[in-house]
Amino acid sequence: DAGVIQSPRHEVTEMGQEVTLRCKPISGHDYLFWYRQTMMRGLELLIYFNNNVPIDDSGMPEDRFSAKMPNASFSTLKIQPSEPRDSAVYFCASSLADRLYGYTFGSGTRLTVV
Amino acid sequence: SQKIEQNSEALNIQEGKTATLTCNYTNYSPAYLQWYRQDPGRGPVFLLLIRENEKEKRKERLKVTFDTTLKQSLFHITASQPADSATYLCAPSGNTGKLIFGQGTTLQVKP
Repeated sequence: DAGVIQSPRHEVTEMGQEVTLRCKPISGHDYLFWYRQTMMRGLELLIYFNNNVPIDDSGMPEDRFSAKMPNASFSTLKIQPSEPRDSAVYFCASSLADRLYGYTFGSGTRLTVV
Repeated sequence: SQKIEQNSEALNIQEGKTATLTCNYTNYSPAYLQWYRQDPGRGPVFLLLIRENEKEKRKERLKVTFDTTLKQSLFHITASQPADSATYLCAPSGNTGKLIFGQGTTLQVKP
């Protein structure tokens, strides 16, 4: 398996623009997570899905953020409109239902909003 | 609110020594606790999981302890090597699937 695949690896956008981050989890994994990492706040959980259904979105900072998982092999995190304070590395992770083998993270998307 | 504390200061040790990292948590009753390693520019990588009914778990040079009374986990790397230099994250979690991470401790192993 190629692991969790995220795209793009880097994104630079202007304030006010819409940004869409993409994630392909490992086939067969039941859970999908979106995290954001900054130096100041560390690794923050934004939202997670179980079998494509959003379970907890309490970490989503504002209404500008939305996430979808239309099927078991694809998820998106959208920011509209983007702001400079959204600049961070965004990680997607997936895991099996029993979670005994841990969570597998993607390589992340480094977002810079100027 | 739930809180996870890891040593915020970097840990510097000499090659060959044992590194010990601490993870304390409050307002939590985790069913298990996970440890991850993160290298610069990369995503966290899963290392070990220990359950609440396990006192200790080992994997090669790694050892994790879990004390639910003290609300603490210790992570040990024996015979440390420069290649062990990285940031180590702990993540206590319940049965919901939600995984919250500590800020991490940076380990630097000097040759």
